[in-house]
Amino acid sequence: AQKVTQAQTEISVVEKEDVTLDCVYETRDTTYYLFWYKQPPSGELVFLIRRNSFDEQNEISGRYSWNFQKSTSSFNFTITASQVVDSAVYFCALSERGDSGYALNFGKGTSLLVTP
Amino acid sequence: DADVTQTPRNRITKTGKRIMLECSQTKGHDRMYWYRQDPGLGLQLIYYSFDVKDINKGEISDGYSVSRQAQAKFSLSLESAIPNQTALYFCATSAGPRETQYFGPGTRLLVL
Repeated sequence: AQKVTQAQTEISVVEKEDVTLDCVYETRDTTYYLFWYKQPPSGELVFLIRRNSFDEQNEISGRYSWNFQKSTSSFNFTITASQVVDSAVYFCALSERGDSGYALNFGKGTSLLVTP
Repeated sequence: DADVTQTPRNRITKTGKRIMLECSQTKGHDRMYWYRQDPGLGLQLIYYSFDVKDINKGEISDGYSVSRQAQAKFSLSLESAIPNQTALYFCATSAGPRETQYFGPGTRLLVL
């Protein structure tokens, strides 16, 4: 079963619009970690944020913000005033104890296109 | 210099050939991982290593083998490459079980 679901396969917005990328996860562990990574067209994976299951505080970093809600098992990512350089595939990932000792379970990614 | 490097960055090979993808890191991390990414999919875990003497299979290890030559080096081998192993391969490292994984730049592999 998919542990991380990113229901939005592709999103297209016009520059300066706000956009939210959804992430829903599934785990039985009480201790787990959630991540967002960015994969620009060049292909590398860039770490954006790590959140542990005991910290439900929202995080803001510049134009990026993250909303973690344990009650709905969601960890959504919002880009405010999007820019063309934000165009990329964004992956949400879950790390739990499991059989592979905290290896990452990735969602299938959301492809974001920001047009001028 | 990059903390996690992968060589080669691109590789074209033929069905049945044996190839090796190499990963090196200067982060001093004990844990290293190999993932593959197929178009439209997330990353899938192939193998992972907690230290030089501890290597474990991931969810899609069939057709692959690994070698942890040193703390800083973790190689992935395709013993007899087949076309459905065409993918983007990533190496990653982390300082511990709950720590962030940092990824190398990836190796694009095409098996003809």
